[in-house]
Amino acid sequence: ETGVTQTPRHLVMGMTNKKSLKCEQHLGHNAMYWYKQSAKKPLELMFVYSLEERVENNSVPSRFSPECPNSSHLFLHLHTLQPEDSALYLCASSEHAWGAGSYEQYFGPGTRLTVT
Amino acid sequence: AQSVSQHNHHVILSEAASLELGCNYSYGGTVNLFWYVQYPGQHLQLLLKYFSGDPLVKGIKGFEAEFIKSKFSFNLRKPSVQWSDTAEYFCAASLMDSSYKLIFGSGTRLLVRP
Repeated sequence: ETGVTQTPRHLVMGMTNKKSLKCEQHLGHNAMYWYKQSAKKPLELMFVYSLEERVENNSVPSRFSPECPNSSHLFLHLHTLQPEDSALYLCASSEHAWGAGSYEQYFGPGTRLTVT
Repeated sequence: AQSVSQHNHHVILSEAASLELGCNYSYGGTVNLFWYVQYPGQHLQLLLKYFSGDPLVKGIKGFEAEFIKSKFSFNLRKPSVQWSDTAEYFCAASLMDSSYKLIFGSGTRLLVRP
């Protein structure tokens, strides 16, 4: 595998379920990101990790819980979601979060989440 | 608040037509500017980027963009589009001092008719 991979590609869950999204980057990068892409809205940055430390939580509700066990893996744990949380969730990585190497973010294919 | 605006939500062109997609940003400081493209069923990928220097930036697949500081603009151009350019195009910006915070525009869907 190369680049940034995400699993699952599609997920349907009820509002009382607990599920997790997984992201893996094979680029040797030190920063990873979660974005939300809703229909007709700009991509929204949710979380940023740099060297496994969370450096940004962009006012995301607590029903979304990120985890970064190492610099190659990023998870998004989901629980008691709402129908308005249905969206495409994108993972990205970059060499660094700041300075040279931070500028280009590489994106995964996304997980299409539907909350019923 | 910092924002990126893309004025054209949908653009339809015939092959060989010229393309210009508008992008304006509202930042007071020094910015990094990007155009990303998402082909149907594929990942978001970087088309081109501007950090400093020559305001005319050339990217992949014949695309270019011009940074005009006085107009807070970073418009994307291609002199002659192909059917394979059908995709969604996103403009994005980040401030130099918080470079990981990419702010995206809402995107422009381009349909190129053969």
